Amino acid sequence: KQEVTQIPAALSVPEGENLVLNCSFTDSAIYNLQWFRQDPGKGLTSLLLIQSSQREQTSGRLNASLDKSSGRSTLYIAASQPGDSATYLCAVFEGGSNYQLIWGAGTKLIIKP
Amino acid sequence: EPEVTQTPSHQVTQMGQEVILRCVPISNHLYFYWYRQILGQKVEFLVSFYNNEISEKSEIFDDQFSVERPDGSNFTLKIRSTKLEDSAMYFCASIGGRNTGELFFGEGSRLTVL
Repeated sequence: KQEVTQIPAALSVPEGENLVLNCSFTDSAIYNLQWFRQDPGKGLTSLLLIQSSQREQTSGRLNASLDKSSGRSTLYIAASQPGDSATYLCAVFEGGSNYQLIWGAGTKLIIKP
Repeated sequence: EPEVTQTPSHQVTQMGQEVILRCVPISNHLYFYWYRQILGQKVEFLVSFYNNEISEKSEIFDDQFSVERPDGSNFTLKIRSTKLEDSAMYFCASIGGRNTGELFFGEGSRLTVL
């Protein structure tokens, strides 16, 4: 059974720092992996989607990498800003007969001004 | 940019009452999903829907839950007799095709059962 783990559960850094959020998954047979942002009490905003054949995707200050064989993905945030404060969720599309997202518990990020 | 819309944004109901949550997926999308997130917990898959029938469902999606696409645009989740533990944020999502890529999510419907 696929399990997705995100480390750390929480992270607090000063504004301007570059940071890395980690996501690991137990079954490498995935279609793709998606990173989301969630503000408190709000919806899920898709940040980046990496197909299983890709190694990375970039959007602005965000860069996501995927190493399917080792079951890992990282989300790199450059030059962090207070507005980046949110919970970041990683989710994988399962392979096989189940086409659904399996979610990590998220990393709660606080950027201090 | 096309988006998934959900109503209501927040509903408060008494235990035992029926609740219907509504979603309008992106118009040319083919697969629809309901997920839920209990406060402080992981997002959980409830059900997927394709070609006017349930494609997959989780253990959470018991006989109290049902989904429907009544008119070709709306996609509804009905909870027949709500329990306290049904209190959660419910997210609708849609995707264009089975291997096309990302899910697009609505803003969610917060359900509070008293």
